[in-house]
Amino acid sequence: NAGVTQTPKFQVLKTGQSMTLQCAQDMNHEYMSWYRQDPGMGLRLIHYSVGAGITDQGEVPNGYNVSRSTTEDFPLRLLSAAPSQTSVYFCASRHDQKGLQRTEAFFGQGTRLTVV
Amino acid sequence: GDSVTQMEGPVTLSEEAFLTINCTYTATGYPSLFWYVQYPGEGLQLLLKATKADDKGSNKGFEATYRKETTSFHLEKGSVQVSDSAVYFCALRSGSRLTFGEGTQLTVNP
Repeated sequence: NAGVTQTPKFQVLKTGQSMTLQCAQDMNHEYMSWYRQDPGMGLRLIHYSVGAGITDQGEVPNGYNVSRSTTEDFPLRLLSAAPSQTSVYFCASRHDQKGLQRTEAFFGQGTRLTVV
Repeated sequence: GDSVTQMEGPVTLSEEAFLTINCTYTATGYPSLFWYVQYPGEGLQLLLKATKADDKGSNKGFEATYRKETTSFHLEKGSVQVSDSAVYFCALRSGSRLTFGEGTQLTVNP
């Protein structure tokens, strides 16, 4: 199994450009989420989804959009990149069914984004 | 809201030294607790977990005990190796969301 696959691994953007970070999982997980990792701040939740067609905001949603048209894919869109969005982005997925509340989250390898 | 506080890093140890990384939490209800490890250039991997009070999670020589009375989940290993060098994250899950601590960078020197 591929697990959670993120693309690209590295990206440099100019301020104001837009781009989409891709995330796909092949484990039929209901729950998917995006985090950003910044030094000294751990991982902060951007957006999450509990199933196809359902998304919600996390701790730091401003400047990011998401959609969940299929169970497998959960892309993260930056509509107008800003230097403050320079970070490492991680996608994660896990089961989210009643009776499986304690299942672990699986993470992608991350996307290192620099906005200049 | 939920929060996780880890001891500040970075931590530098010699091989075979004893490791403790402190983690305390604030949460409503009865969260599950996790330790994740991130090796250089990689994503996070689950190291161990505990789902209720007094549970002990263990894996690869690491262990942590869910202490409800002190709201803690400290990570320990009796003898670290160079290959244990990584960033360690304490996390809790209450409901759907996973809340992470700041991470602790561990470097083990030969």
